[in-house]
Parts: sequence; C-alpha cells; structure tokens
Amino acid sequence: KNQVEQSPQSLIILEGKNCTLQCNYTVSPFSNLRWYKQDTGRGPVSLTIMTFSENTKSNGRYTATLDADTKQSSLHITASQLSDSASYICVVSPERGSGYSTLTFGKGTMLLVSP
Amino acid sequence: GAGVSQSPSNKVTEKGKDVELRCDPISGHTALYWYRQSLGQGLEFLIYFQGNSAPDKSGLPSDRFSAERTGGSVSTLTIQRTQQEDSAVYLCASSLERTGDRPFFGPGTRLTVL
Repeated sequence: KNQVEQSPQSLIILEGKNCTLQCNYTVSPFSNLRWYKQDTGRGPVSLTIMTFSENTKSNGRYTATLDADTKQSSLHITASQLSDSASYICVVSPERGSGYSTLTFGKGTMLLVSP
Repeated sequence: GAGVSQSPSNKVTEKGKDVELRCDPISGHTALYWYRQSLGQGLEFLIYFQGNSAPDKSGLPSDRFSAERTGGSVSTLTIQRTQQEDSAVYLCASSLERTGDRPFFGPGTRLTVL
C-alpha cells in the first residue's frame, strides 16, 4: 500500500530560526513529490514539486530535497516568519500509467512560528 | 474565476439531514478530486473523476456518500443521512491530467453535523 509519513507531527520554533520537515514515502513507481502549505481554513497551496531526477529545489526561503533511493524528502525553511505558521503536507504522485489513480498525502506537519 | 471554487464555505446541519457540496474546477481541467480532512488528520481521498471515464469511488467511506460531475465541469458531493463523524473540511482539487500534474485545491467546505 502506498504511504506517505511525515515528521514531526508538530513543531514550534522561534521567529527567525530555521527548521526541517521530513517526508518518507513508499509510493512506487514514483512520478513526483510536492510540498504544500496549508494555512488554517484554507486549501493547500503548492510550494515545490520534485521529480525523480531532482535532488534539491528552492522557492524563496523554502528548500526541498529528495533522495529517490531512500524515498525521503525534506523541506527546509530558513529564517522563519510568523506567516510560515501552517500545516505542511507532502504529496506523492504515482507514475503515469502505473494503474494508480490517486495522489498519496501525508498527514502533514503543523508548524507554529512563535514571536 | 482563476481558481477552484467551492460552496458553501461553511455548512452546519443536523444529524440525519442530507447535504450537497459543490465544486467548480479550473476551466479546462479534466481531473477532479474530492478529499476529506478531519480535525487533526491528513487528507483522505474520497473520489476522483477523469474526463468521461468511470469515476474512482474507492475512497468513499459508505454508500451515504456519492458524487457527480456534470458536463465534465462542476461536481457535487452528496452526503445522505449525515452523521456526526462526517464533520470535516471537504476539499476539492482539479488538475489537467490524471497523474503527475499539479492539483489545485479549492478553499474547502467546512461541514459540521450537530
């Protein structure tokens, strides 16, 4: 069964500090992995997308890494801001034509940035 | 509009009543997903539509749940005889194709069953 596990479940950091969120997946065959940010009361918004051949990708203060061999991804947030407080969700897409019709979502990491 | 829209944004209903939730996907997106997000839980897949193909209903939790997609665009998720455990945020997403393409999410409908 395809699974996506995220850690930690929740995290509190001080404003200005860095943090790293983890995502482990078992989805196979694998197409791509996305990190989404979900503000309270809003739908998830895509931050980054990574394909099998990509190891790292940045979007402003967000940097995602991917190790397709170990099936692990991380999202690093630099110089955190209060507005970074949200749930961060890892989403894995199966390979086209694999027979899987759905994305697999992690349960998310709830990040709280404290002043 | 440019994004996925959902209505209503909030719905409070009494146990046993039927509810309908609506999703307007991005124009031209052939794939449409419904997900449910219970408090403190991750996103739970419910149903998936792709073009004119038969929908993937494997995520529907019971026969009280059903969904339609008319004309390949607007979708309605219906929950009959609602139960308190149905309380959740129901999210709709659409994308250009079935897999590999970025899904765009709507803001969700928060359903509360009293």
